[in-house]
Amino acid sequence: DGGITQSPKYLFRKEGQNVTLSCEQNLNHDAMYWYRQDPGQGLRLIYYSQIVNDFQKGDIAEGYSVSREKKESFPLTVTSAQKNPTAFYLCACRGGAEVGELFFGEGSRLTVL
Amino acid sequence: KQEVTQIPAALSVPEGENLVLNCSFTDSAIYNLQWFRQDPGKGLTSLLLIQSSQREQTSGRLNASLDKSSGRSTLYIAASQPGDSATYLCAVSRLSNTGKLIFGQGTTLQVKP
Repeated sequence: DGGITQSPKYLFRKEGQNVTLSCEQNLNHDAMYWYRQDPGQGLRLIYYSQIVNDFQKGDIAEGYSVSREKKESFPLTVTSAQKNPTAFYLCACRGGAEVGELFFGEGSRLTVL
Repeated sequence: KQEVTQIPAALSVPEGENLVLNCSFTDSAIYNLQWFRQDPGKGLTSLLLIQSSQREQTSGRLNASLDKSSGRSTLYIAASQPGDSATYLCAVSRLSNTGKLIFGQGTTLQVKP
């Protein structure tokens, strides 16, 4: 059945290492998004992509990078330049342009040791 | 700059009670408003989406209303059940239809048996 899958669910990283979070969807949706969630705060937009081979910075893009080589996939790399990477990362996708409803994955929790 | 506020931050009610969750936003120029549910450690589940031209949407025991002029939305939950215990988030989409959402910090609901 259709959905959006994030992996891994939990990830531990040493300081100074880059790490890539996977996001795959089989809903045939054009637009995909990465959000970050911290305790006591709302979700904040990192990057988004409205079409293959194109992506835009969100509100907190510094220290992150993305690619969109396939419609189904939108991986997020958390680089060593991200000063406070420990957080819960959520990927989302959006289908019909008219309606605009977002569907989220189950999230990936990154902890920097 | 658009800001989204949800009050109260936490709410505890006995089973069977009808309840209202509040969401306010500072800029009435929105494309749509979406309500989500989040269980601990999980992703977001879309509950209801209201387009800017609509006043309300209903799904089962849930009813969401939108008053753009006053910058408010409410989520009404009828006959609450312990399974409704979760964090409820509202988010507004900026005027351009990019799917970029601004989130409130959420209301954590506990329904006691």
